[in-house]
Amino acid sequence: SQTIHQWPATLVQPVGSPLSLECTVEGTSNPNLYWYRQAAGRGLQLLFYSVGIGQISSEVPQNLSASRPQDRQFILSSKKLLLSDSGFYLCAQGPGVRNTIYFGEGSWLTVV
Amino acid sequence: DAKTTQPTSMDCAEGRAANLPCNHSTISGNEYVYWYRQIHSQGPQYIIHGLKNNETNEMASLIITEDRKSSTLILPHATLRDTAVYYCIAERNSGNTPLVFGKGTRLSVIA
Repeated sequence: SQTIHQWPATLVQPVGSPLSLECTVEGTSNPNLYWYRQAAGRGLQLLFYSVGIGQISSEVPQNLSASRPQDRQFILSSKKLLLSDSGFYLCAQGPGVRNTIYFGEGSWLTVV
Repeated sequence: DAKTTQPTSMDCAEGRAANLPCNHSTISGNEYVYWYRQIHSQGPQYIIHGLKNNETNEMASLIITEDRKSSTLILPHATLRDTAVYYCIAERNSGNTPLVFGKGTRLSVIA
């Protein structure tokens, strides 16, 4: 089975502060890893994906960055948060059975 | 990946079948139709996928038209717990291609 751990689950940060969201996965080795964001009332937006250690593809240019220091660890960071960074952040891994992807429980970020 | 279009929202009475349509008129021959759903404040969950033939599993049935330009997800006996946003995605099933989610259909199951 594939298990995804995300933390923190909830975060309230002031504008201009740094951010670090962590995701670790269990199960298959060398998984593809993804970060998605969902702003309030909006759809899921793909932010970053990684097919291996140190390999990051960015889908949306912004003040966020991602890193993959270990095979099963994916980190989302920012040096200075903006109000528009508020949202529900989801880590996902794949491919799973039937080439599907599995999502974690998500992290709620509120920038104030 | 082919673009998909879905109605913004739908209602369904509890116990009745919920039929969620999806148009994917530009789908290519190697693209599968995937369905996921997202219950409020949770991550999306895989439901079912298919290429040409109709598919059924313990959660739902997927009906794909012969020309593959549209499909319908069927929840045979909707319950209140099926209230969620349902996403239809056309994807190559390569295993390495990120899934791109649209806005989906918000299904409300009503008692």
